[in-house]
Amino acid sequence: DQQVKQNSPSLSVQEGRISILNCDYTNSMFDYFLWYKKYPAEGPTFLISISSIKDKNEDGRFTVFLNKSAKHLSLHIVPSQPGDSAVYFCAASARGSNYKLTFGKGTLLTVNP
Amino acid sequence: GAGVSQSPRYKVAKRGQDVALRCDPISGHVSLFWYQQALGQGPEFLTYFQNEAQLDKSGLPSDRFFAERPEGSVSTLKIQRTQQEDSAVYLCASSFSSYNEQFFGPGTRLTVL
Repeated sequence: DQQVKQNSPSLSVQEGRISILNCDYTNSMFDYFLWYKKYPAEGPTFLISISSIKDKNEDGRFTVFLNKSAKHLSLHIVPSQPGDSAVYFCAASARGSNYKLTFGKGTLLTVNP
Repeated sequence: GAGVSQSPRYKVAKRGQDVALRCDPISGHVSLFWYQQALGQGPEFLTYFQNEAQLDKSGLPSDRFFAERPEGSVSTLKIQRTQQEDSAVYLCASSFSSYNEQFFGPGTRLTVL
């Protein structure tokens, strides 16, 4: 039973445009959410996170939005660059076991020049 | 390098063999985690150490899986009597504390024939 769902296996966007990656979760105990980026043959790299007390967190070209009532978060990348092409994983952790990350299956983002 | 390192990077085992996977965390990182990533899936939590203490092993799939971190630094994940379903990438991550961002190693790809 997937507690963190990334329903789009892949996404293709044009360089310079916005990339929007989506993530849904089912566990209401989740209170911290993270996005990781993964290149082939490398481990995931932390990108950005958000606590459940916020609804938005921004870091440069990356913004994460959290809609707690809908149990939905999204990662916006503006503007998208070819180097952003990678698999993006959404992850969540719960109160009381914040070390234990639950990951989605990932979305492969391709940014075309 | 200052990152998390794992060895071997690739391991092929015959069904029934025992394997040992090594993780060298970032120096000074107290927390260490093991994850299993099956093909097409996101990483799944296996176990968590704080220094040499294994505080959570709830994700280990069977008693054939055993992890240790005897001196609070290097960790070894051992799989006894490997089965085909054990084929996956095994990721190690470390962090300064359980509340901080987890840094992942490149993983060990285990193939059981």
